[in-house]
Amino acid sequence: DIVMTQSPDSLAVSLGERATINCRCSQSVLMNYNNKNYVAWYQQKPGQPPKLLIYWASTRESGVPDRFSGSGSGTDFTLSISSLQAGDVADYYCQQYYTSPITFGQGTRLEIK
Amino acid sequence: EVQLVESGGALVQPGGSLRLSCAGSGFTFSAHWMYWVRQAPGKGLVWVSRINGDGSQINYADSVKGRFSISRDNAKNTLYLQMNSLRADDTAVYYCARTTAFVSTADWGQGTLVTVSS
Repeated sequence: DIVMTQSPDSLAVSLGERATINCRCSQSVLMNYNNKNYVAWYQQKPGQPPKLLIYWASTRESGVPDRFSGSGSGTDFTLSISSLQAGDVADYYCQQYYTSPITFGQGTRLEIK
Repeated sequence: EVQLVESGGALVQPGGSLRLSCAGSGFTFSAHWMYWVRQAPGKGLVWVSRINGDGSQINYADSVKGRFSISRDNAKNTLYLQMNSLRADDTAVYYCARTTAFVSTADWGQGTLVTVSS
C-alpha cells in the first residue's frame, strides 16, 4: 500500500496569512500515460464529512475558492491556503488514488493563531 | 444535486452484525464505483471497501476481509455494507462515497455511527 505522510500534524496560522500543508507519498503517484498526479485534498470540519477541495494534485473542485491551491508532482505535494479565514479551521487530508487501496494521510489540524 | 444518505448505524455488542445502507440520488447510480470509508473517533480516514457499477468487482481492506460484505441494488439506488463478527476496533463513523471520472471519493454522505461495545 502507498503510505501518505502529512506534515505538520497541526498548524496555527494568523488570519490573513498563508497556510501550507505538505504530503509525501511512499512511491510516485504520477500516471505516465496522462501525466496526471493522482492526489486529492479534502477539508473536514467537526461533525461533517470530508469535502473535496483539489484533485489531480492541482485542480480545484467546482465552487472551491481560489485561495486554495495544490501543487507538486511524483511523491511530494502541497496544499496552500492563502489569506486564511476563520472558516478554514478544519482538518485537512491528502489522498492517493493512483492504486488500490486508496490511502489517506494522517491529517493536519489547522487552527487560527 | 448529488445526495448520499447513510443509515443503519447503531450500538452493537462484540461479535454482532449490522447492515449499513447508503441511498444515492441526483446521479446515475449504476454508473459509478462506490466506496465505504470509516473514521474512528478522533482518528483519520480509512478505506473499507469498494464496488464497481454492476457489482462484479469488489475489494476489501485486509482488516475487514472475511467479515464485511459490500453489495448494491441498482434498482433501488442503494449501496450496502453487511458487517459481521464486529469488534471494538470497528467502532467508527462509516461514510459512503461516490467515484467520478476525476477522483475516487468525490462526494460523501453524512456518515452513520457504528459503536461496538458490551
